[in-house]
Amino acid sequence: KNEVEQSPQNLTAQEGEFITINCSYSVGISALHWLQQHPGGGIVSLFMLSSGKKKHGRLIATINIQEKHSSLHITASHPRDSAVYICAGNTGNQFYFGTGTSLTVIP
Amino acid sequence: EAGVAQSPRYKIIEKRQSVAFWCNPISGHATLYWYQQILGQGPKLLIQFQNNGVVDDSQLPKDRFSAERLKGVDSTLKIQPAKLEDSAVYLCASIRAGGGAGELFFGEGSRLTVL
Repeated sequence: KNEVEQSPQNLTAQEGEFITINCSYSVGISALHWLQQHPGGGIVSLFMLSSGKKKHGRLIATINIQEKHSSLHITASHPRDSAVYICAGNTGNQFYFGTGTSLTVIP
Repeated sequence: EAGVAQSPRYKIIEKRQSVAFWCNPISGHATLYWYQQILGQGPKLLIQFQNNGVVDDSQLPKDRFSAERLKGVDSTLKIQPAKLEDSAVYLCASIRAGGGAGELFFGEGSRLTVL
């Protein structure tokens, strides 16, 4: 079993929909990271959080330390949001990665 | 601030040939990682460096993979001889922090196809 589990594995949405991607982890972590990977592209860090909530534009990330759960929300989704979203936790310099959620937003 | 640089972006080789990938992390980043990412999976750690020392290479197939970071700056990952199952994207990443949490910065990746 992976230390970090994501759901759903694949997600298709209509443009404008509110999207939620979930992440659960089973190890103690210092911080939780949300990463974005476009097809054929590198990985970009969206958020790093250890408590509460962070917002950047249409993206919101939350974490519940007690429940070892984090969510990534995308409001007013757009086709350019189509990408793989990866959740990762780190303890010191050791990172644990989820397998990613492939999001497709249809115009 | 320049990002993590990797080269080549794409490489196609035949099995049993060798290949080398290069990574230059962000200036001042002490920790450097090489990950292997197979399509549809999350990154898998191959090796982690702290400056020029190896911190974790437990998942590096040492019979065919080698990596070095001689001066604690740029790094090279080599595969010799390559197998079909080595077809993947090889990602280099770095963080500034020496011992704590930090934002992880990735390069664009080097996509290897072994025929």
